[in-house]
Amino acid sequence: DGGITQSPKYLFRKEGQNVTLSCEQNLNHDAMYWYRQDPGQGLRLIYYSQIVNDFQKGDIAEGYSVSREKKESFPLTVTSAQKNPTAFYLCASTPPDRDYEQYFGPGTRLTVT
Amino acid sequence: QKEVEQNSGPLSVPEGAIASLNCTYSDRGSQSFFWYRQYSGKSPELIMSIYSNGDKEDGRFTAQLSKASQYVSLLIRDSQPSDSATYLCAVNPSRAGNNRKLIWGLGTSLAVNP
Repeated sequence: DGGITQSPKYLFRKEGQNVTLSCEQNLNHDAMYWYRQDPGQGLRLIYYSQIVNDFQKGDIAEGYSVSREKKESFPLTVTSAQKNPTAFYLCASTPPDRDYEQYFGPGTRLTVT
Repeated sequence: QKEVEQNSGPLSVPEGAIASLNCTYSDRGSQSFFWYRQYSGKSPELIMSIYSNGDKEDGRFTAQLSKASQYVSLLIRDSQPSDSATYLCAVNPSRAGNNRKLIWGLGTSLAVNP
């Protein structure tokens, strides 16, 4: 089965801890994206990557880091510097022949207390 | 002015009626327009994409685009309770170049009442 997977579905962490969210796709998509979604605020872009070993900051990159060592994988680390990390995190990817169409994984709901 | 605007709703329609969802955008050079459906607690799902002026139909869904009016809409015919969700409008701005970023509206909540 092809698709975008995110794990885990729910994640709980104590304040001050770094946490890494997984995003994997086996669709041969080049571009990958990380968003966070908060109630009433819509989707906000954290980081995106067009190709392996290259990524760019989105609109709210502070307190986050990413890597793109493989085409299939785009993990997001939420660092202790992120002031309000509790949110629904969504990973998306775009097929090479369908610029701008983004397909989402199931999401990870992170709660930091 | 927000770059992509949608009425937050909730929009309430009876089962079997036509639901009309609207989206306006500010970047006149935008070329690609998308509608996503998001059920509560789930991730967005792409349901329609439209690139040219006019109507595009897919099953019970019709997307309508007017670049002159900077307006894109989604019509859902024969609405079903299973259509109850938040509908997100997304637009690629003309300044995006090749980075494939989208600008997102906040979504319209639709409730279809049996």
